Amino acid sequence: AQSVTQLDSQVPVFEEAPVELRCNYSSSVSVYLFWYVQYPNQGLQLLLKYLSGSTLVKGINGFEAEFNKSQTSFHLRKPSVHISDTAEYFCAVNKAAGNKLTFGGGTRVLVKP
Amino acid sequence: GAGVSQSPSNKVTEKGKDVELRCDPISGHTALYWYRQSLGQGLEFLIYFQGNSAPDKSGLPSDRFSAERTGGSVSTLTIQRTQQEDSAVYLCASSPHGVAGYNEQFFGPGTRLTVL
Repeated sequence: AQSVTQLDSQVPVFEEAPVELRCNYSSSVSVYLFWYVQYPNQGLQLLLKYLSGSTLVKGINGFEAEFNKSQTSFHLRKPSVHISDTAEYFCAVNKAAGNKLTFGGGTRVLVKP
Repeated sequence: GAGVSQSPSNKVTEKGKDVELRCDPISGHTALYWYRQSLGQGLEFLIYFQGNSAPDKSGLPSDRFSAERTGGSVSTLTIQRTQQEDSAVYLCASSPHGVAGYNEQFFGPGTRLTVL
């Protein structure tokens, strides 16, 4: 079975400041890693995913994430946030031949002016 | 093109009543998923359909929950004899292919179910 832990339930951050959202996972098999974003009253949208290769993955809206196999982590970063980045962010994993995402508990980011 | 659509967007029902939630996946997507998002449990997988294969129902929390997918397209999630703990946002997703864990799942806006 897989599990995902997002260490911070809420992260307040000032506009134009950097932000890091932490994600750790546990799995007995190889997994693919994803970050999704959920804006208020909307569904989830894919930010980025790690499948293989370079451990630094770049996604949409200036976000990037780094896969660290030894630490089983996949932290999400953005060097300078905007008000529009206010949303909830979910880290998720799926097995190589999997058919369902296992999500972390989510991190709510509130960007303050 | 059109994304995943779900209806209704909001549903308020009384305890004990049955409800049906509908999902229209992206055209051509063979895989369809239902998830539930609730305050206490976070985002949980419910059920997965892939083409004509038997669905993976391993996430359904009780036998009050069922789902079907007609013609490989539209899906309906049915909850019988609703309970207050069924209150949640029910999210539907689709992807172009099935058993390949790297595929992006495209999510609908969800149906917010409130059981009084």
